[in-house]
Amino acid sequence: SQKIEQNSEALNIQEGKTATLTCNYTNYSPAYLQWYRQDPGRGPVFLLLIRENEKEKRKERLKVTFDTTLKQSLFHITASQPADSATYLCALEGGADGLTFGKGTHLIIQP
Amino acid sequence: EAGVTQFPSHSVIEKGQTVTLRCDPISGHDNLYWYRRVMGKEIKFLLHFVKESKQDESGMPNNRFLAERTGGTYSTLKVQPAELEDSGVYFCASSHVREAGYTFGSGTRLTVV
Repeated sequence: SQKIEQNSEALNIQEGKTATLTCNYTNYSPAYLQWYRQDPGRGPVFLLLIRENEKEKRKERLKVTFDTTLKQSLFHITASQPADSATYLCALEGGADGLTFGKGTHLIIQP
Repeated sequence: EAGVTQFPSHSVIEKGQTVTLRCDPISGHDNLYWYRRVMGKEIKFLLHFVKESKQDESGMPNNRFLAERTGGTYSTLKVQPAELEDSGVYFCASSHVREAGYTFGSGTRLTVV
C-alpha cells in the first residue's frame, strides 16, 4: 500500500540555522508533491508545490527538492525563526483520490 | 478574500445521533474536498466535488456518511448514525488552480461519546 514517512519525532533547531525535513514515500508515483504547515487547532496551510519533472523549487526562505528515483523530498527553511515552529506536512498527489498526507514533522525553532 | 469556513468548530454528540458539518469554500473554487484526521493518524481523503458533482468518493468510510454540495456552493457532510470511531477532525478544502495548492478550513472537531 502507499506509504509516506516523515520524521516522527520533533526536530529541534537553533534559530538562524537551516531546518531540513524529510519526506520518503513508497508504492507511489506522484505527479505532484506539496508541503503544508499546520499550527495547533488550525487547518493545513499550503506552502509549496513541486512537480515530478522538477528537481527544486524555492520561495523566499523555503526550498523543496524532489527526487523521484530516491522517492524522497527534502524541505529546507533557511535562517529559521521561532515563528517557523509548527508541524510540516508532506502530501502527494497523483491519482484520483485527492492528497495523501504524511503524519507530519513537528519543528521547534529555539531562540 | 475570505478563506474556507467550517461550522461548527466543535461538536460533541452521543453514539447513534446525527451530525451535519458544513463547509463554505472560497468563492469561485470549483473543487471542494473533505478530509478527516483521526487521533494519532495522518489526514485522510474522504471525497472530492467538482462544482455540485461528486468526482471521487473513494475515501468515504461507509454509507453512514453522506456529502452534498448544493448548487456547487457550500457543502455538508452528514454522519448518521454516528459511531465512536467517527471521532476526529474533519477538514474541508477548496482549490481553483493546482499551482496554488489547497486552501483548508480550520476543521470541525467531532467527538462521539
